[in-house]
Amino acid sequence: DTGVSQNPRHKITKRGQNVTFRCDPISEHNRLYWYRQTLGQGPEFLTYFQNEAQLEKSRLLSDRFSAERPKGSFSTLEIQRTEQGDSAMYLCASSSPDRNTEAFFGQGTRLTVV
Amino acid sequence: AQTVTQSQPEMSVQEAETVTLSCTYDTSESDYYLFWYKQPPSRQMILVIRQEAYKQQNATENRFSVNFQKAAKSFSLKISDSQLGDAAMYFCAHSQAYSGAGSYQLTFGKGTKLSVIP
Repeated sequence: DTGVSQNPRHKITKRGQNVTFRCDPISEHNRLYWYRQTLGQGPEFLTYFQNEAQLEKSRLLSDRFSAERPKGSFSTLEIQRTEQGDSAMYLCASSSPDRNTEAFFGQGTRLTVV
Repeated sequence: AQTVTQSQPEMSVQEAETVTLSCTYDTSESDYYLFWYKQPPSRQMILVIRQEAYKQQNATENRFSVNFQKAAKSFSLKISDSQLGDAAMYFCAHSQAYSGAGSYQLTFGKGTKLSVIP
């Protein structure tokens, strides 16, 4: 296993379009997190899954955002009706049951809304 | 709510020298974790070092060590014998301590960009 994988690495979309990102965590990791990082800022928490259950969502996650983790494996983050303010790096992280404070991050998906 | 503040947007260090990055945080919890993450350009964020708040002993990982001052809510990172590969953004982060299904979500500072001068 080579770590947390995110696809695509880059996405350019027109305002108003829908986009979906995928995250494949490290295989034995049951916890999965999504973060958003804008230019010059640290990552901000969006949502958290333990196995397939979405247990926590940030108020940053407006109703245009939805995340899923079917079968507790990979996760998808969808943004509907994208806005220019959605332009950011979207990071996925996962952690294992026995070291749940140690999060492993993917390389992120950079979204540009034009 | 927790907040993490990094007051140094940029720092530079001569290769082989020592540099200290500052971080302060605010939390009402007595049990929590603190982290330093490194984000090289165009690469994923990696964990550098972790400190558990209930442990008085400062964490060390090879050339990286922290100065954890719980009363002052200060958590600085010292990098000794700096190497060119240390050049990156460094983020200080906080996580509450949970049990069971609780989220260990991270609250990050804005980061410090470290440059290493050959």
